Amino acid sequence: QKEVEQNSGPLSVPEGAIASLNCTYSDRGSQSFFWYRQYSGKSPELIMSIYSNGDKEDGRFTAQLNKASQYVSLLIRDSQPSDSATYLCAHQWGASKIIFGSGTRLSIRP
Amino acid sequence: EPEVTQTPSHQVTQMGQEVILRCVPISNHLYFYWYRQILGQKVEFLVSFYNNEISEKSEIFDDQFSVERPDGSNFTLKIRSTKLEDSAMYFCASSAEQGTRAQPQHFGDGTRLSIL
Repeated sequence: QKEVEQNSGPLSVPEGAIASLNCTYSDRGSQSFFWYRQYSGKSPELIMSIYSNGDKEDGRFTAQLNKASQYVSLLIRDSQPSDSATYLCAHQWGASKIIFGSGTRLSIRP
Repeated sequence: EPEVTQTPSHQVTQMGQEVILRCVPISNHLYFYWYRQILGQKVEFLVSFYNNEISEKSEIFDDQFSVERPDGSNFTLKIRSTKLEDSAMYFCASSAEQGTRAQPQHFGDGTRLSIL
């Protein structure tokens, strides 16, 4: 079973600090990894995609992938109250389904 | 920016009735998906669709479910005889042509299905 594990949180971070979200996955053959943000009652919104080992930066977001450790992380710098949401780690094999984790609830406190 | 659109936003149906959820994927996308999310639970894959046929389906997608692309723009999910446990948010997603790496899936706003 291609599982994705995340700490459910809530993770509480002060405004302006770095939020660090972590995820592990079980399928060594996975090639594509994604972070989605989901506000309550809304649909998943793609934030980052990462395919190679190492870091990928996009604005305040940095995704990190370590395939040997089967580990993906997301760093959010200069956290804002609008970053408060559930963050879904996901992986995809080829053109098939996305396997989502249960999500980590992030709360940015002013 | 192109987006996936879903209708209706909320559907209330009596148990045992048929329901059709509609989606218009992003116009140049070729892969289409349905997911569902029961309240408080994770997003679960239902079915993927490519080249006018189902490419993969989960164990949730039993004989009560069907998908169709009746024309060049719409993609529908039909539940033939709804059950109480079908109550959930249903998300449609689409992605572009898959090359050597998976293209991200873009999600619609979802349809909240409530079975009474």
